[in-house]
Amino acid sequence: GAVVSQHPSWVICKSGTSVKIECRSLDFQATTMFWYRQFPKQSLMLMATSNEGSKATYEQGVEKDKFLINHASLTLSTLTVTSAHPEDSSFYICSARGGEGTDTQYFGPGTRLTVL
Amino acid sequence: GQSLEQPSEVTAVEGAIVQINCTYQTSGFYGLSWYQQHDGGAPTFLSYNALDGLEETGRFSSFLSRSDSYGYLLLQELQMKDSASYFCAVRDDKIIFGKGTRLHILP
Repeated sequence: GAVVSQHPSWVICKSGTSVKIECRSLDFQATTMFWYRQFPKQSLMLMATSNEGSKATYEQGVEKDKFLINHASLTLSTLTVTSAHPEDSSFYICSARGGEGTDTQYFGPGTRLTVL
Repeated sequence: GQSLEQPSEVTAVEGAIVQINCTYQTSGFYGLSWYQQHDGGAPTFLSYNALDGLEETGRFSSFLSRSDSYGYLLLQELQMKDSASYFCAVRDDKIIFGKGTRLHILP
């Protein structure tokens, strides 16, 4: 099946720094990528949807200036958490969907962010 | 708005059968998916129902009734490794997850 990778798998950073998380579709072209956030013992909450070459669409309550999403190619999307604070500590999961005729979303393994 | 309701926790005995229900209210609907997530891991896809009826995949089955906005996941011959959280999710242009059901399995 299709494979989606994320890098890094975990990251620890100091408060106030920015962290970039990469999401790659390894064996297919992902026209659309999704970013989710999951706090401990809670559900996955959709943060934003990004289409290759266009601006991301953010869900209500998600700060676009804090969570910068770039989907510059059909195989790579990045999420940058700017000026991270301890409350941003969470499990970030991306998923990718292929092109026309393909509506299955494939999930990455997730990135655990801890902000000290 | 969109909402999915599922029980927060379910407990069952090893070898038994358990059913996890999900009701949904969404503006768009292509189908209902189920995902399994072990602690510390990412969600893994279990099943997808676009049409009414029962889909069976090994020990797991999933059911959908579009007219009732209802579905369930049925797990048979429970094994200890099935202890995990199970999420129902509605698919339209994106996937929206329910809050998850924590399944505890007793030996």
